[in-house]
Amino acid sequence: EVQLVESGGGLVQPGGSLRLSCAASGFSLSSYWMYWVRQVPGQGLVCVSRIKSDGSITDYADSVKGRFTISRDNAKNTLYLQMNSLRFEDTAVYYCVRFGALAGTGDYWGQGTLVTVSS
Amino acid sequence: DIQMTQSPSSLSASVGGRVTITCRASQSISTYLNWFQQKPGKAPKLLIYDASSLQNGVPSRYSGSGSGTDFTLTISSLQPEDFATYYCQESYSALWTFGQGTKVDI
Repeated sequence: EVQLVESGGGLVQPGGSLRLSCAASGFSLSSYWMYWVRQVPGQGLVCVSRIKSDGSITDYADSVKGRFTISRDNAKNTLYLQMNSLRFEDTAVYYCVRFGALAGTGDYWGQGTLVTVSS
Repeated sequence: DIQMTQSPSSLSASVGGRVTITCRASQSISTYLNWFQQKPGKAPKLLIYDASSLQNGVPSRYSGSGSGTDFTLTISSLQPEDFATYYCQESYSALWTFGQGTKVDI
């Protein structure tokens, strides 16, 4: 069974840092592009970053470029999102998403981890 | 950037009723259009991909159509478990854009 389990969320002050992790099981992470999508509670979905299966290509939304870094450790079947210089507007639930080649979009999503930026 | 506009933003429907949600892209995206369902406190679930293909395990009462800029999600006979928020999403771009969502309630 495919599973994605995020961790690392929590309360952080503005300007602080957090690292999110996404542990994958039931499939080989090394074969898939992976994404991070966030959602402010009660609002819509925003795609913030993606990474190629081998880590050689990364993309970021303008709102997080220069502050967030996506990475992966395929040997550990784990995806990461390093978030620095956090702002109030980064408060959201962050989802780890697998890009399914057949569907051409996110076919499996984690349960999400809440990041709250507050003083 | 591609903008995705859904309508309506919310609707009320009855069990057994037919629901139609539309999504418009700001530029042509061929059939790179997907539909997700989200229930409170849960992650989005893929329903339809490539505009009209049903994801494995999704009931056949769900259907999608369209190409280019205009797309439709139809639920033919609404069931109690279908009350949720629905999002369209374009997968034409490197980083996806989602519609603002349509909340379907009783």
